[in-house]
Amino acid sequence: AQSVTQLDSQVPVFEEAPVELRCNYSSSVSVYLFWYVQYPNQGLQLLLKYLSGSTLVKGINGFEAEFNKSQTSFHLRKPSVHISDTAEYFCAVSLYNQGGKLIFGQGTELSVKP
Amino acid sequence: DSGVTQTPKHLITATGQRVTLRCSPRSGDLSVYWYQQSLDQGLQFLIQYYNGEERAKGNILERFSAQQFPDLHSELNLSSLELGDSALYFCASTNIGGAYNEQFFGPGTRLTVL
Repeated sequence: AQSVTQLDSQVPVFEEAPVELRCNYSSSVSVYLFWYVQYPNQGLQLLLKYLSGSTLVKGINGFEAEFNKSQTSFHLRKPSVHISDTAEYFCAVSLYNQGGKLIFGQGTELSVKP
Repeated sequence: DSGVTQTPKHLITATGQRVTLRCSPRSGDLSVYWYQQSLDQGLQFLIQYYNGEERAKGNILERFSAQQFPDLHSELNLSSLELGDSALYFCASTNIGGAYNEQFFGPGTRLTVL
């Protein structure tokens, strides 16, 4: 069975500091990898995705993620966070041959403090 | 604004009742996904429709059903409601429902069962 594990449920960080949100996955078939962000009282919005090719993926709002096949990880990073980055972040996978349903991690609540 | 609309925004009802949640996908999108977000289960895939036909099923209870109409809007029907069905229900849409496609999420319907 496939699963996604986000290693930190909450990450507090000061404004302008760097941040890394960790994600590991387990799958017996090829997957595509996604990071979504959920701002309070809103739906999810795609930050970035990895389909193939370069393992470093750049997304919106200055975020980037690196795919590591040997460690089955897809960690999200930002070199300098803003107050407006406070939100819940979800790592997700979709399976190559299964129509696009997303399997989500439990989410990481990023709290940026001034 | 993702272009996906969901109604109603909030729904409060009693145990044993039946409700219908509605989703209108982005213009041109053929595939609709339903997800449930709860505190204990996180974000879970329920069901996918593509151009009116069911394509994939996840952890959807037998008391729940869905359909996609010719105009491509979708409805999720929840019956014999229990306290544990209280959750945020999201729909998402993509153009063709491939595993690599970005899913565009609606703002969700918050269901409270009393």
